[in-house]
Amino acid sequence: EAQVTQNPRYLITVTGKKLTVTCSQNMNHEYMSWYRQDPGLGLRQIYYSMNVEVTDKGDVPEGYKVSRKEKRNFPLILESPSPNQTSLYFCASSPQRGQINEQFFGPGTRLTVL
Amino acid sequence: KQEVTQIPAALSVPEGENLVLNCSFTDSAIYNLQWFRQDPGKGLTSLLLIQSSQREQTSGRLNASLDKSSGRSTLYIAASQPGDSATYLCAVRPRRGNMLTFGGGTRLMVKP
Repeated sequence: EAQVTQNPRYLITVTGKKLTVTCSQNMNHEYMSWYRQDPGLGLRQIYYSMNVEVTDKGDVPEGYKVSRKEKRNFPLILESPSPNQTSLYFCASSPQRGQINEQFFGPGTRLTVL
Repeated sequence: KQEVTQIPAALSVPEGENLVLNCSFTDSAIYNLQWFRQDPGKGLTSLLLIQSSQREQTSGRLNASLDKSSGRSTLYIAASQPGDSATYLCAVRPRRGNMLTFGGGTRLMVKP
């Protein structure tokens, strides 16, 4: 089944404790991205990647890191989480332009930083 | 900067009604527009994608239209059912770049 998976789905942590949220897609998509969703602010893009070893900042990249060492994986790293990073996080992927470039979203990771 | 607005923010209708959700965007230089459904606490499910060169797309009881020049899209849901209750989001992809800009969503409740 074609899908985007994220782990963990739920995470409660404390300020300053490094964490990684994994994202994996099995559709051989070049493009992957991370969004956060907050009440009243909607969905905002954190980082995106056009292909392996190619990443760039989205609208709200502060406090986050990403890497794209393999095509299928795009982990989101919070080196020193803070309470304002409490949010619902989504990973998404899509093919390159020129193809049907519908974006597919993962199930979400609900993060609470105490 | 692209801004996407969805009206209404919330909508409650009795089962069986036909309804229209609206999405407007400020920059008409879009590559495509995508409608999503989100159930509470869940991920986004893609419903329809309209390329900038298209006027509409249909899937079952759903029909999405796009008027790029006026910066508007509508999602038409025919014969609504309680199972349609969810938040509906529209998102536009620019001609250059891949970042989706989302609207705030319309929370739909269909009452039996």
